[in-house]
Amino acid sequence: NAGVTQTPKFQVLKTGQSMTLQCAQDMNHEYMSWYRQDPGMGLRLIHYSVGAGITDQGEVPNGYNVSRSTTEDFPLRLLSAAPSQTSVYFCASSYSSGGLGTGPYGYTFGSGTRLTVV
Amino acid sequence: AQTVTQSQPEMSVQEAETVTLSCTYDTSESDYYLFWYKQPPSRQMILVIRQEAYKQQNATENRFSVNFQKAAKSFSLKISDSQLGDAAMYFCAYRANDMRFGAGTRLTVKP
Repeated sequence: NAGVTQTPKFQVLKTGQSMTLQCAQDMNHEYMSWYRQDPGMGLRLIHYSVGAGITDQGEVPNGYNVSRSTTEDFPLRLLSAAPSQTSVYFCASSYSSGGLGTGPYGYTFGSGTRLTVV
Repeated sequence: AQTVTQSQPEMSVQEAETVTLSCTYDTSESDYYLFWYKQPPSRQMILVIRQEAYKQQNATENRFSVNFQKAAKSFSLKISDSQLGDAAMYFCAYRANDMRFGAGTRLTVKP
């Protein structure tokens, strides 16, 4: 059971380049999300999805796009990378976010992607 | 919007001693979950302990326990008998729908 798989683990981009961070989970989790981690700021929510075909913005969505065509995959796209997007990115998944009694809502995290934009 | 505040950027504890990490949160929800995550240098996020807001009893996991004060919106983590392997960043997190994190506390354990 692989859990949450993120690729790549490291990436260096030039300003203006585009790329996609991949995230896949094999636990049949409905809920998936992307966070960025910056020193002194903890993890900030970029985008999330409560199921296939449904996505929504988090705290810091600007400069990022997402889609959720399958339950398993939730890619994060940077259309035109900027130095301000240099960060560590985490994908996470869990069972349904709504309604008590359906689970403890703890996330399973991927191992992270360290992205540097120069 | 929910916010999570960790007021201690860094903490230090002697091996075998006890340390408490603080966390407060702001919410208008009555039902939610609270978590503490550990992030060692490997960068992996590891769930340490969780607390359901509707439960009055404080959660305990071996050497880790919480002091959950719902009215005060406080959720502190106590680590007993600290070990060198406890050294890490610790994040407090709140979840009603999506999950929000505090800025983290870096814990150093001195031998």
